[in-house]
Amino acid sequence: GENVEQHPSTLSVQEGDSAVIKCTYSDSASNYFPWYKQELGKRPQLIIDIRSNVGEKKDQRIAVTLNKTAKHFSLHITETQPEDSAVYFCAAIPSGGNEKLTFGTGTRLTIIP
Amino acid sequence: GAVVSQHPSWVICKSGTSVKIECRSLDFQATTMFWYRQFPKQSLMLMATSNEGSKATYEQGVEKDKFLINHASLTLSTLTVTSAHPEDSSFYICSASSRQETQYFGPGTRLLVL
Repeated sequence: GENVEQHPSTLSVQEGDSAVIKCTYSDSASNYFPWYKQELGKRPQLIIDIRSNVGEKKDQRIAVTLNKTAKHFSLHITETQPEDSAVYFCAAIPSGGNEKLTFGTGTRLTIIP
Repeated sequence: GAVVSQHPSWVICKSGTSVKIECRSLDFQATTMFWYRQFPKQSLMLMATSNEGSKATYEQGVEKDKFLINHASLTLSTLTVTSAHPEDSSFYICSASSRQETQYFGPGTRLLVL
């Protein structure tokens, strides 16, 4: 089945700087890659997603890039703010339908004021 | 749009009792609902996939007789933890999707079994 690896596990960034989180996946047929933000004790919230027919997608300070050949995708957060502090999960939907997401192990992002 | 509710938000029960958790999609019809379990500082672990009107598909290692899932309508799925034990204490989260890949998550239920 699909295997998603995520790095780093923790990341501390000075406020205003950029943060980058990287994920790799194993199933070359995977075609949907969402990113979720989870604050402590709360639900994961979808912040951005990308499909395999697109190489990059941007939404204000957040962007995601996808390299299908290398089977990796990355989350970029620019001009970080204290409220960006949370755990971020990448995920992928493998081939075979049924929409099952395989999650990465998560990255705890801390923005230092 | 795409709001998912979950009830209760937290529950404390005695060992041996059963606990039912409800997951509802409030403003869309969810053809598929998913149940996850999350331990502290860990990722979400998929327990089962539930399609309306059919039996749930459980992930390897998840006991279907212990974690009963019912998806009676396009807006409601329930997870019943039967004969709960302290090791079942966890954060249970549901998600719902409607014929697309995007999953929307409920707020989660924190279960503590004494």
